[in-house]
Amino acid sequence: SQQGEEDPQALSIQEGENATMNCSYKTSINNLQWYRQNSGRGLVHLILIRSNEREKHSGRLRVTLDTSKKSSSLLITASRAADTASYFCATDDTLSGANNLFFGTGTRLTVIP
Amino acid sequence: DSGVTQTPKHLITATGQRVTLRCSPRSGDLSVYWYQQSLDQGLQFLIQYYNGEERAKGNILERFSAQQFPDLHSELNLSSLELGDSALYFCASSGGVYIDYGYTFGSGTRLTVV
Repeated sequence: SQQGEEDPQALSIQEGENATMNCSYKTSINNLQWYRQNSGRGLVHLILIRSNEREKHSGRLRVTLDTSKKSSSLLITASRAADTASYFCATDDTLSGANNLFFGTGTRLTVIP
Repeated sequence: DSGVTQTPKHLITATGQRVTLRCSPRSGDLSVYWYQQSLDQGLQFLIQYYNGEERAKGNILERFSAQQFPDLHSELNLSSLELGDSALYFCASSGGVYIDYGYTFGSGTRLTVV
């Protein structure tokens, strides 16, 4: 399967703490993206990091990418109850030339107020 | 509101029936993607259209078909429905044919087959 895998599958933290989620993938990529999904809702694009970038920031989000290990991490700092959601990484596939994203299995984050 | 509109939001139908899901992409976006999300399979890519033409095909069953019309809205047709087709169906859009930017997702259609 071309899907990535997030780790952990579920994460529960207190409000104010940092949350770290990891993603591993299998193929060569042009970019890797992270999305958030509130329960039963559509996915929302959070951040995109290109294969030649190692780290990217957006507000309270920090994403790293290690193409040699085929892995990425998403750090949410100073978490809030509103951050409770599922988080997915998504990758393209340069080898197949696929014009679509393959999504991971997701990490379910619960932030306790 | 993401700008991607999906109708209907909920659909309950019987096995063997046929349904049509509709998607209007965000204004200016030419690519439309369809995804199926179920508890056991995660988010599965079905098919992509760009400016009216099919560009990529994923795990789409032969019972399913899609098209994109000149006004860029897209429809996903599901026929001979089975219980296992119950899932959330998402449409997403993007500006170009290649994946250089993020997708904008609709809020989905929840299909229940009984």
